[in-house]
Amino acid sequence: GQNIDQPTEMTATEGAIVQINCTYQTSGFNGLFWYQQHAGEAPTFLSYNVLDGLEEKGRFSSFLSRSKGYSYLLLKELQMKDSASYLCAVRDEGPRRSGGSYIPTFGRGTSLIVHP
Amino acid sequence: DVKVTQSSRYLVKRTGEKVFLECVQDMDHENMFWYRQDPGLGLRLIYFSYDVKMKEKGDIPEGYSVSREKKERFSLILESASTNQTSMYLCASSSPYLGTSEYNEQFFGPGTRLTVL
Repeated sequence: GQNIDQPTEMTATEGAIVQINCTYQTSGFNGLFWYQQHAGEAPTFLSYNVLDGLEEKGRFSSFLSRSKGYSYLLLKELQMKDSASYLCAVRDEGPRRSGGSYIPTFGRGTSLIVHP
Repeated sequence: DVKVTQSSRYLVKRTGEKVFLECVQDMDHENMFWYRQDPGLGLRLIYFSYDVKMKEKGDIPEGYSVSREKKERFSLILESASTNQTSMYLCASSSPYLGTSEYNEQFFGPGTRLTVL
């Protein structure tokens, strides 16, 4: 099984930088996803990490340390539209598979509130 | 533009009714998923399917069943709706094969908010 932990809620100021952490415990590891979900909308894919290090995509970056079971999502130059929930999902090498890939398990999500 | 659609955005049903939630994807994905999302509990997997007529239980399958007769369509069935099934239901699809999708990420539908009275 998996245990995925994220903070429930964070607040930040427009223009600032915020880091959302995700820690996990798995029996194996096969990748970590970050999704963004605005209120009342579908989650959308933000980033994927399978190797240690930082992946940068514009204002958003995601970091992974497999040895520590730790990831973070870094949001720079925050905008009001970044107010959303951020979901961490971990894919492990457990018995549950779908075709050729493993099924990810989601954390409970972090609600980010950006204020002026 | 890739798309996952769900039959209803909002649905109100009575206790004991049989409820069908439909999901259609146009990406030719093999994998399809049904989740429910509740405040403080996040996304929980109900059922998934990796091929036509194939289904696997997720973490919380009790009270639900699914049907996948065609590759693009995955239905969630509540045989006898109960008030504790009031929730947001999200459908998703993904490809298991690298090359069709770089990360095998999931694509989600807009969700169906189901209220059982």
